[in-house]
Amino acid sequence: EAQVTQNPRYLITVTGKKLTVTCSQNMNHEYMSWYRQDPGLGLRQIYYSMNVEVTDKGDVPEGYKVSRKEKRNFPLILESPSPNQTSLYFCASRSPTSESTDTQYFGPGTRLTVL
Amino acid sequence: GQNIDQPTEMTATEGAIVQINCTYQTSGFNGLFWYQQHAGEAPTFLSYNVLDGLEEKGRFSSFLSRSKGYSYLLLKELQMKDSASYLCAVRDNKAAGNKLTFGGGTRVLVKP
Repeated sequence: EAQVTQNPRYLITVTGKKLTVTCSQNMNHEYMSWYRQDPGLGLRQIYYSMNVEVTDKGDVPEGYKVSRKEKRNFPLILESPSPNQTSLYFCASRSPTSESTDTQYFGPGTRLTVL
Repeated sequence: GQNIDQPTEMTATEGAIVQINCTYQTSGFNGLFWYQQHAGEAPTFLSYNVLDGLEEKGRFSSFLSRSKGYSYLLLKELQMKDSASYLCAVRDNKAAGNKLTFGGGTRVLVKP
């Protein structure tokens, strides 16, 4: 079954304690993204990766890091989390082409609370 | 850059029809997507338009006018389970990786 998995699904942490949210896809997609979703602001792209070892900033990258050492995995790293990073996070993957219904698949989401 | 606008919230009655509008501005339009998202869950793909006109898929239809930068999602014979947010997203072939940019979403509440 084609899927994107994320872990953990829920996390409560404290300011400054480094954390990593993992993301993995089994569709051999080149393109992966991280989004955060906040009420009234919709889905905003944090970082994206067009292939292994190729990553770039999205619209709201401050306070986040990513890595892409393997095609299937795209972890999101918060080196020093702050309360304004409390949000619902989604990982997504797709082919980077512009062909037809080249839809994007989303992970189940990670709800992060930073106290 | 891109600008995508859709209403924040709509309310409709079970069995009725609701139309969710989306307007967009983009330099390299290459497709418009509609996603459904139930509270706390991941968005799921509903429909795709790249040419002008209407695409019908069961109770859901999506329309596109590229010259007007306008799309709508039509939900017919509303059911309680259709209560969700509906996200309009535009693909831009002038952005790296054909970036997909999302609107803020329209929350639809279906009442009995």
